[in-house]
Parts: sequence; structure tokens; C-alpha cells
Amino acid sequence: AQSVAQPEDQVNVAEGNPLTVKCTYSVSGNPYLFWYVQYPNRGLQFLLKYITGDNLVKGSYGFEAEFNKSQTSFHLKKPSALVSDSALYFCAVRDHNTNAGKSTFGDGTTLTVKP
Amino acid sequence: DAGVIQSPRHEVTEMGQEVTLRCKPISGHDYLFWYRQTMMRGLELLIYFNNNVPIDDSGMPEDRFSAKMPNASFSTLKIQPSEPRDSAVYFCASSPSSQGNSYEQYFGPGTRLTVT
Repeated sequence: AQSVAQPEDQVNVAEGNPLTVKCTYSVSGNPYLFWYVQYPNRGLQFLLKYITGDNLVKGSYGFEAEFNKSQTSFHLKKPSALVSDSALYFCAVRDHNTNAGKSTFGDGTTLTVKP
Repeated sequence: DAGVIQSPRHEVTEMGQEVTLRCKPISGHDYLFWYRQTMMRGLELLIYFNNNVPIDDSGMPEDRFSAKMPNASFSTLKIQPSEPRDSAVYFCASSPSSQGNSYEQYFGPGTRLTVT
């Protein structure tokens, strides 16, 4: 079985400050991990993924995420937040040992960046 | 590439009517997913296909929902008869794969369905 948790429904940060959106996962094997962003009235947009290799993954719009196997976490980070980063963020996981095609998505975290 | 294309973008219908949502995946992607998003239940996976074959339809709410993928470039999600509780945004997504494993998904803009 695979599952993912986003412990915070909402994250508020000031523009220019660093941001972190948390994600923890559970899989029986090794994980594939993904972050997506959803702007209002839009579909989800792929940001970045961890498949294997370097634990620090860089993605679109200056976002990065760190894979931590011991803590089963994959937190999304950005050094300096922009107002335009305000959106709904989803973490997703897939256990590559299951050879199943579907990912399990978290419930989403609403990020609000205030000027 | 035009991305995942969905039509219509908005659909308003009366209870009891048939609704058909359409999706054109990204060319070359061999996984296709249908999701439903509501405020109450969040993002729900309804069904997904691999190489046009339905793999897992356990998320389909009930027999009123059906999905088909007659070829690699087209899929439909049908609701018959529709009910007000079916009101939601329906997303289609497609995914590339390697050695049978799918990776990141690319979502369409969604169809906002309102059933009155």
C-alpha cells in the first residue's frame, strides 16, 4: 500500500521569506515522489519529482524538494517566496515495486504568500 | 505540444440527463487518468488506463459512471443519469512511462460540471 500525508492544510509566509510545504509518505518498497501545483481554476501542474539519485531535487519556478528516506519525507522548499507562488500544492507518491501506474495524492496544502 | 485537451470546459445540465466528458491525452503517453475534484472530498482518482485498457476502476462511484478509451488519442467519461452530487471539476491526466512504470502526470484544464 502507498499513502501520503500533508500535515498542514494552510501555510502562510511573507514575500521574500523562505517557504516549506511538508509531505510524508509510506510505501512498502522504494518511492517515486512528486510535487504538483494548482492555481485557481486550473489543472494540476507538475513541479518536480524524485525517482532516484541525488536527494535534493530542483524543479520549476525555483522550487526544490529534499528526499529524506529515514524520515520518509519529501518537503517542498523555496528560498524566497513570491506572491505569485500562492496556490494549492499537492504531494504524490508511487511505490515503484508495485509496478502499478497510479500515484496517491495528498489532500493538498494551500500556500498564501503575503506582500 | 498542446498538452492534455478536455472538452467541454464547462457543462451545466439538469438532473437525469446524460453527460459526456472528453479527453485527448498528450501524444505518446500511454497512461490516462480520470479524476474528480470537490471541496468536500478533494482530488479523487476515478479510473485509469494503460495502453487503452482500463486497469483500475475502483474509484468509479457507481454504475452511473462509465469510461472508455477507444484509441490512444481519445477517452470519454460518461455519467448517466447525472445527479446534483456529481457536480465537480473533472480532470483528465496523461503520463509517460518507462518499462511499464508511469511517472509524472500532465493534467488537462478540467471540465466544471454543474448538475441542477
